[in-house]
Amino acid sequence: DTAVSQTPKYLVTQMGNDKSIKCEQNLGHDTMYWYKQDSKKFLKIMFSYNNKELIINETVPNRFSPKSPDKAHLNLHINSLELGDSAVYFCASSQVRAGHEKLFFGSGTQLSVL
Amino acid sequence: AQSVTQLDSHVSVSEGTPVLLRCNYSSSYSPSLFWYVQHPNKGLQLLLKYTSAATLVKGINGFEAEFKKSETSFHLTKPSAHMSDAAEYFCVVGGYNFNKFYFGSGTKLNVKP
Repeated sequence: DTAVSQTPKYLVTQMGNDKSIKCEQNLGHDTMYWYKQDSKKFLKIMFSYNNKELIINETVPNRFSPKSPDKAHLNLHINSLELGDSAVYFCASSQVRAGHEKLFFGSGTQLSVL
Repeated sequence: AQSVTQLDSHVSVSEGTPVLLRCNYSSSYSPSLFWYVQHPNKGLQLLLKYTSAATLVKGINGFEAEFKKSETSFHLTKPSAHMSDAAEYFCVVGGYNFNKFYFGSGTKLNVKP
């Protein structure tokens, strides 16, 4: 079973559209994240949720709205897509407890905005 | 504040020769440090982590890293490179309450036959 799964793997869309990426983890972790990886491979955190509560929001445009219906799911909705949103988006999870902290990543969603 | 600097954006080695990927960190407290590997078009996989136990940490696939507090370094090494090691490697420091992980800019390892 995949520990952190995100769908879709590839997403090609036009500017101005609205799209969603879904993420689910079956590890029982209490914290989930969204990271954006740009074309230079730089990974930047976007959001972090702990037990369905938003705890990190890193200067991300309001067009990006995460939603966590339960602690095993963290979805990312993007409104009015722009060319600059093209990137690979990674979902991750961790157990925020000393000795158990490490990130488990999904396989990524490659978003291409045309 | 925490931050990570990976000193080389690209490293190229021949198969069978040693690998050294350099990482320096900044942390206002005792850090947790990690190395992740990303193969082309794949997600990130944990190689190893340091969390204030032994300073020499052994990871998967023959990699190891040594935590040196005096040098604020956590360099990744492997005695003998394999073609399958070609990938992007990220050094990561864990935030104070582990709600946040700070990534270095990555080092692309190329392994020549």
